[in-house]
Amino acid sequence: SQQGEEDPQALSIQEGENATMNCSYKTSINNLQWYRQNSGRGLVHLILIRSNEREKHSGRLRVTLDTSKKSSSLLITASRAADTASYFCATGSWGANNLFFGTGTRLTVIP
Amino acid sequence: NAGVTQTPKFQVLKTGQSMTLQCAQDMNHNSMYWYRQDPGMGLRLIYYSASEGTTDKGEVPNGYNVSRLNKREFSLRLESAAPSQTSVYFCASSNSGNTEAFFGQGTRLTVV
Repeated sequence: SQQGEEDPQALSIQEGENATMNCSYKTSINNLQWYRQNSGRGLVHLILIRSNEREKHSGRLRVTLDTSKKSSSLLITASRAADTASYFCATGSWGANNLFFGTGTRLTVIP
Repeated sequence: NAGVTQTPKFQVLKTGQSMTLQCAQDMNHNSMYWYRQDPGMGLRLIYYSASEGTTDKGEVPNGYNVSRLNKREFSLRLESAAPSQTSVYFCASSNSGNTEAFFGQGTRLTVV
């Protein structure tokens, strides 16, 4: 399988705390993306980081990429109850026109 | 802005029945995808289409066929449904595999 794997599978934190999720993948990539999925809904794109980038920020989101370790992390700072969702990483490969998703991290933010 | 529209939203089939899931996007994207989502398995790519007139197999293509009818539409067909195909199906589109993808709201399919 070309799927990535997120770690942990589930995470429960208090509102205001930071949440960190990790993604490991298997093949060389062109980019890595993070998506959020609220229960029963489609996925929503959060952020894209290219293979020549090491860190990227968007609002309360911070993504890092380590291509030597084939891993990425997503940090959500000052979490809110509305951040409760599943988070997925997805990888795009050189010369390919498809995206492969990881297995997801279920985040619960307790008010 | 409709984005990616999937129909139907829910469907129950009997084993052996056939059906087509429809997907349309209005963002002029080149690439379109069909995924299935099962508990604990994340999203698995069934088929994708890099451009109008082309389709390619993903990770789990067995039991499915696809048609890229035009640039807007990408359909997924189950010729003879099996209980193992019970899942939530998502259609998505993007400019390419290297840009963000936009997802439909999903089709929840149950095969009994």
